[in-house]
Amino acid sequence: AQTVTQSQPEMSVQEAETVTLSCTYDTSESDYYLFWYKQPPSRQMILVIRQEAYKQQNATENRFSVNFQKAAKSFSLKISDSQLGDAAMYFCAYRSAFPTSGTYKYIFGTGTRLKVLA
Amino acid sequence: EPEVTQTPSHQVTQMGQEVILRCVPISNHLYFYWYRQILGQKVEFLVSFYNNEISEKSEIFDDQFSVERPDGSNFTLKIRSTKLEDSAMYFCASSEQAVYNEQFFGPGTRLTVL
Repeated sequence: AQTVTQSQPEMSVQEAETVTLSCTYDTSESDYYLFWYKQPPSRQMILVIRQEAYKQQNATENRFSVNFQKAAKSFSLKISDSQLGDAAMYFCAYRSAFPTSGTYKYIFGTGTRLKVLA
Repeated sequence: EPEVTQTPSHQVTQMGQEVILRCVPISNHLYFYWYRQILGQKVEFLVSFYNNEISEKSEIFDDQFSVERPDGSNFTLKIRSTKLEDSAMYFCASSEQAVYNEQFFGPGTRLTVL
């Protein structure tokens, strides 16, 4: 079974600085997707960035980028030029590309709460 | 931008009572999911639903749970006889396609069982 681990329950970053959130996962599959979702207080989770395992190039979305290390099973999120609006809970999630069960459920980590200091 | 909505935002119930959590997925989405998060723990998959039937259910999703898409727009999760350990945040999600599209999540319903 696949597992996702986020070892940082909480992180803080100064506004305009860079912060990296860690995520490791365990799987025996070769094809899968990885996601970072952001959940602001009392709001829904929204997708920040996704990475297809077959792609060697790290995904980037504006100030958000990932460091995907497939062999190490590591998928960290880097937020550059942090803004007050980045304060949220961040979830790392795994999804099989070709699940044996036929369903594309997510497997989540426990989340990292990011605080942005003015 | 279309969003997944959930009602109520907070539900308080007595142990043994039935609750129905409601979700309105994004209109052109075909795949539907329920997840839950007990306070301080991981978000866990409960059930997936496609073409009016359950695609997969987790070990958590026992006979006390059921899902339904009664009218083509709502997607409901029913817990027949709630237990204290059912207290959690319940998230609904939907996706347009299964393979290439990400899931869109609702804001969640916080269920408190007393």
